[in-house]
Amino acid sequence: SQTIHQWPATLVQPVGSPLSLECTVEGTSNPNLYWYRQAAGRGLQLLFYSVGIGQISSEVPQNLSASRPQDRQFILSSKKLLLSDSGFYLCAWSGWGGSAYNEQFFGPGTRLTVL
Amino acid sequence: AQTVTQSQPEMSVQEAETVTLSCTYDTSESDYYLFWYKQPPSRQMILVIRQEAYKQQNATENRFSVNFQKAAKSFSLKISDSQLGDAAMYFCAYQSGYALNFGKGTSLLVTP
Repeated sequence: SQTIHQWPATLVQPVGSPLSLECTVEGTSNPNLYWYRQAAGRGLQLLFYSVGIGQISSEVPQNLSASRPQDRQFILSSKKLLLSDSGFYLCAWSGWGGSAYNEQFFGPGTRLTVL
Repeated sequence: AQTVTQSQPEMSVQEAETVTLSCTYDTSESDYYLFWYKQPPSRQMILVIRQEAYKQQNATENRFSVNFQKAAKSFSLKISDSQLGDAAMYFCAYQSGYALNFGKGTSLLVTP
C-alpha cells in the first residue's frame, strides 16, 4: 500500500531563516506531487505541483520554492522566511494515469510557525 | 479562477441525527470533479466522497451522500446517523486540472 511521509511535524523558525520541508511517498511510482498551505481559518491553497523529476509548476508567486530531486521526494524550501509563511503545510500525491483527475492523498502535514 | 463557497462556518448536529453541509462553486467548465474532505483535530485530510461532474447519479459512501445539482453549481454533503467521530472541519473542493480549489470549510460539532 502507498504511504506518504512529511517531516518535520512541527517547526518554529525565526524570520529570515531558511526552510526545508520534506515529503516522501512509498509504494507507488511516478506520482504527481503537490504542496498545499493552510492558513489559520482557511482552506488549502495549492502552492506547487510536480508531474515528474525536476518538473515544478508554481501556482502562487511567493517566497517559497519547490524541488523534486527524486521520483518520490518533494521538497519545499525558502531562503528567508517571512512572518506570513506561518501555516500548516500539506504534501499530497496522486497517481499518474495521463490525467490530472486522480484522487489526491494527503500527508500528515507540517505546522510551521515563524516568529 | 474557480471559487468554492461554503456558507456555513459552523454547524451542529445531535448524535444519530442527519445534517447537511452546503457548498456552491463557480465554473465555466463542463468536466470536473468535486470532493468533500474531512479534517479532524489531527489535521490529516481525509477524503469523504467524490463526484464526477459527468455523472448524474449522486455519489454515496455509507452514511455520507451528496446532492449534486450541476445546473445550480451546488454540491451539498449529507451525513446520516451522525456519530461523535464525525466532528471535524469539512472542506468542499473543486478540481480543475491539477489544482484542488478548497472552500473555507465548515466546522461540524456533534453533540451527544
